Amino acid sequence: NAGVTQTPKFQVLKTGQSMTLQCAQDMNHEYMSWYRQDPGMGLRLIHYSVGAGITDQGEVPNGYNVSRSTTEDFPLRLLSAAPSQTSVYFCASSSVLYGYTFGSGTRLTVV
Amino acid sequence: GESVGLHLPTLSVQEGDNSIINCAYSNSASDYFIWYKQESGKGPQFIIDIRSNMDKRQGQRVTVLLNKTVKHLSLQIAATQPGDSAVYFCAENMRGGSQGNLIFGKGTKLSVKP
Repeated sequence: NAGVTQTPKFQVLKTGQSMTLQCAQDMNHEYMSWYRQDPGMGLRLIHYSVGAGITDQGEVPNGYNVSRSTTEDFPLRLLSAAPSQTSVYFCASSSVLYGYTFGSGTRLTVV
Repeated sequence: GESVGLHLPTLSVQEGDNSIINCAYSNSASDYFIWYKQESGKGPQFIIDIRSNMDKRQGQRVTVLLNKTVKHLSLQIAATQPGDSAVYFCAENMRGGSQGNLIFGKGTKLSVKP
């Protein structure tokens, strides 16, 4: 099925651990982005990429790294997890014709 | 369960009634607006969009109205059904939707009573 695939769906980390949230799309979209969603709030942009090899920071980039080595993949790395990073993370891809498509999310808990 | 609905404005309607969800956007330079529906445990799902050169756009059972003078956006859902129960977000974008970043509102929780 075409779309945006995020893995894992759930993750529990200890403070200080690192991990990578995976995001893959098979629609050949150039633009990909990562958002976090906290209770009672809308989605906030963490990082985005306008194409392979190009990334930039969004509204809340601290504590996260990204890379874009291929058009299909846009992983999000937590360098040293903190309880403040407990959130639901969404990856999205977009194109001129088809707008934004979101993945189903990764629920991360940092204890 | 999904916690995205905590502390959100809530609209409660009777099944079959029309629903109106409002949104104030922040940037007068935004030229593309989208309404998303988010059900518990799922990612945002596209409902309808509108560009700044329009003030109204209709879809199936949904209508979006744009008032650029007061930076206000609304989503009207006709004959609301239990399956419409979800959190609804408006989002704005300054590059026509093709690239650039979506800025999301905080959302409104729609609850449909059977």
